[in-house]
Parts: sequence; structure tokens; C-alpha cells
Amino acid sequence: QEHLVESGGGVVHPGGSLRLSCAASGFTFSRFSMHWVRQAPGRGLEWVTVISFGGRNTKYADSVEGRFTISRDNSANMVYLEMNSLRFEDSAVYYCARRPEGNTFDLWGHGTMVSVSS
Amino acid sequence: DIQMTQSPSSLSASIGDRVTLTCRASQGITNYLAWFQQKPGKAPKSLIYAASSLQSGVPSRFSGSGSGTQFTLTISSLQPEDFATYYCLQYSSYPFTFGPGTKVDFK
Repeated sequence: QEHLVESGGGVVHPGGSLRLSCAASGFTFSRFSMHWVRQAPGRGLEWVTVISFGGRNTKYADSVEGRFTISRDNSANMVYLEMNSLRFEDSAVYYCARRPEGNTFDLWGHGTMVSVSS
Repeated sequence: DIQMTQSPSSLSASIGDRVTLTCRASQGITNYLAWFQQKPGKAPKSLIYAASSLQSGVPSRFSGSGSGTQFTLTISSLQPEDFATYYCLQYSSYPFTFGPGTKVDFK
């Protein structure tokens, strides 16, 4: 079975850092671009970032550009989100999702919660 | 950035009703439009991609249409498990953007 499992969420102070991980299993990980999408409590979905299947190309939402970094390790079937200079408004459930070519986010993880609090 | 709007923001419906949700893009996105269903505390689930292609395993009562800037998601006969929030997503260009969602609840 195909799975994505996020981890690494928690409570952090404003200005702090956190690294999220997403473990993939059951499919050929290196064939897919991988994305992070977040959802603040009681709010809608917000696309955060993408990394290409080979890891060379990345894009970010303006709200996280310069503070967040996405990376992947295809040998370990992992994607990461390094989050620095965290703000209150970064508090959200963070989902990783895969995107097949010609399709959209067809597989999602269960999410990991990040709370930025003083 | 491309802005996405959805209407209505919420609607009340009964089992068996035909329900139509609308999504508009601030500029043309050809058919790079997807629909997702989300239930409380759960990850979103993909329903439709490329505006009208049904994701594998999704019931045929769900259908999508549209191109350019206006899109619709139709549920032909609402079932109990369909009460949820529905989001559209444009993936024509980065940054990808979601609509604010339409909540479908029980009348």
C-alpha cells in the first residue's frame, strides 16, 4: 500500500526552527514531485512548497520564501521541510502530498501539527 | 498570483439532492483545476483533476466541468458520506492556490 507519514511537528517559540519529515512507502518515490500543504486551525488549505522528482527544482509560497527549505533524499524515500524564523501565523497542520505528472495531489499524509507559541 | 474564489461558502442539502459548487480563477488556467474533499480532522482527498477527470476510486456521482476561469463540481445524488468541505485548486502556475472552500452540511 502507498503511504506518506509526516513527523517532526511540535510546539516552538516565535523565531525558532523545526524540521518536518515525510516518509514515503509503497511506490517509486523518485518518480513524483513532492509538496507541502498546510492548514491553520479552522482555516482553509494553503500550498507551501514543491520539490521536483530529482530534487533540483523548488518553489515556495511568498509567505515562507527565505524561511523554509524543502529537500528530499530519494535513496531513503524521504522529503523534508526545514522551517526557520517561525511566526505565529505558521501554526498549522502540515501535510505532505505527492503529485504525479499530469495529475494533482493524489496521495496525502495524515499531517503533523506545528504550533508557534510564546 | 492567481486568486481562486468559491461559491457558495456553505450550503445545506438533503440526501439525494443534486449539488453544484462553483470555483472561479482570477485569470485563465485552461483545465489545471482540481477538486478536493475534506472531512474534519482528516487529510484532503482528491476527487477531480484536469477539471473533469475522475480520480481513481472516486464514485461516479462526482463530476467536474469547466475551463478557463469558471469551473463546477457536481454531486448528482448527495450521499451521507458527502457532507464535507470542498476545495478547488489551481495548478496552472506557481504558487498553486486553493479556493476558500465550500462547506456542505445537512439540511
